[in-house]
Amino acid sequence: GENVEQHPSTLSVQEGDSAVIKCTYSDSASNYFPWYKQELGKRPQLIIDIRSNVGEKKDQRIAVTLNKTAKHFSLHITETQPEDSAVYFCAAPQTRSNQFYFGTGTSLTVIP
Amino acid sequence: ETGVTQSPTHLIKTRGQQVTLRCSSQSGHNTVSWYQQALGQGPQFIFQYYREEENGRGNFPPRFSGLQFPNYSSELNVNALELDDSALYLCASSLRRELPHEQYFGPGTRLTVT
Repeated sequence: GENVEQHPSTLSVQEGDSAVIKCTYSDSASNYFPWYKQELGKRPQLIIDIRSNVGEKKDQRIAVTLNKTAKHFSLHITETQPEDSAVYFCAAPQTRSNQFYFGTGTSLTVIP
Repeated sequence: ETGVTQSPTHLIKTRGQQVTLRCSSQSGHNTVSWYQQALGQGPQFIFQYYREEENGRGNFPPRFSGLQFPNYSSELNVNALELDDSALYLCASSLRRELPHEQYFGPGTRLTVT
């Protein structure tokens, strides 16, 4: 099955700075990569996703980049705000399925 | 806010007991996946149901079983509970099975086994 590694495990940034979280995957056939935000005690919330036919996707302050050759994808958050503080998970699917393998999570703290 | 709901919210069971968790998928979604999320870890895939049939299973023993009903709601059953089964159990619904597709999580059921 797919193997997803996520780094860093913890990240602290000053409000207004940028944050970058990186994930690598093992299955070269994987073609869809979602990112989830999970606040304490709440459900994982899909915040952005990317398919393998594009290299970058943006949604306001959030962007995801994909490097298929290197088999890694990254979450970029610009102009961070305290409400961005949460645990972020990347995921990748087992080939041709909706069975997802998740990274171990990154705990992001935005310091006001 | 997604339409995926789960019940109960919290549950405390004793080792060796059995438990049933329930999930109602988002309107129009026909696929339900179940995940186990231990404290401080990412969700681990248990299994998926599509059109009332199991459609893939993760590395979980047979005492984890499930059902999907004609209205696409689903149940997760765990027999012979063990202490390590203590976790947040999440279900996620999605519209399509054939391709990787967006899936949306419910709020989860927090299971504590003592």
